[in-house]
Amino acid sequence: EAGVVQSPRYKIIEKKQPVAFWCNPISGHNTLYWYLQNLGQGPELLIRYENEEAVDDSQLPKDRFSAERLKGVDSTLKIQPAELGDSAVYLCASSLGGRGLETQYFGPGTRLLVL
Amino acid sequence: GDSVTQMEGPVTLSEEAFLTINCTYTATGYPSLFWYVQYPGEGLQLLLKATKADDKGSNKGFEATYRKETTSFHLEKGSVQVSDSAVYFCALSVPTNDYKLSFGAGTTVTVRA
Repeated sequence: EAGVVQSPRYKIIEKKQPVAFWCNPISGHNTLYWYLQNLGQGPELLIRYENEEAVDDSQLPKDRFSAERLKGVDSTLKIQPAELGDSAVYLCASSLGGRGLETQYFGPGTRLLVL
Repeated sequence: GDSVTQMEGPVTLSEEAFLTINCTYTATGYPSLFWYVQYPGEGLQLLLKATKADDKGSNKGFEATYRKETTSFHLEKGSVQVSDSAVYFCALSVPTNDYKLSFGAGTTVTVRA
């Protein structure tokens, strides 16, 4: 069974440029998460989707970040414009459900460097 | 708020040594506790979990016991291998926070042959 797929794995951009990350969750997983992981820290949730609905986006900086999950499968996370402080690893995870103790399966992440 | 504090790294060990990574938590209500592991170049994966006090989670030779009296969930392995070199994250979730995972900062473990 394929795991969570993310692309690109690495991205280098100049500040003020836009950038987008793509995630393909495990087949059949209704819940999808985007996390931000700064260097030397644990992941922090940005947004959680149940199918195509964003049910928790309280930690998403909405002035520059946006996300979508059309058709309730793949998801895209966008930053526009990027700032130096956005340099981090962006992780995508999926689970069968969003309640209780469903195990979250993580992708390898996209490492972003903003110059 | 709900949080975990784990032992700072990096930790460097020789093969077959005993490994302990300390993790303590602060939470309202009754959290579930997790250890995730991130091997080089890979995504985080669940290593083990415990959902109530005195539960012991175990996997791949690792163990952790949910201690409510000391609010701890320390990770242990009796004899580490080079392949155990990774970053280990302690995490918790509580129903009052919609089961959102709160992670510690991670502990980097390097095992030398």
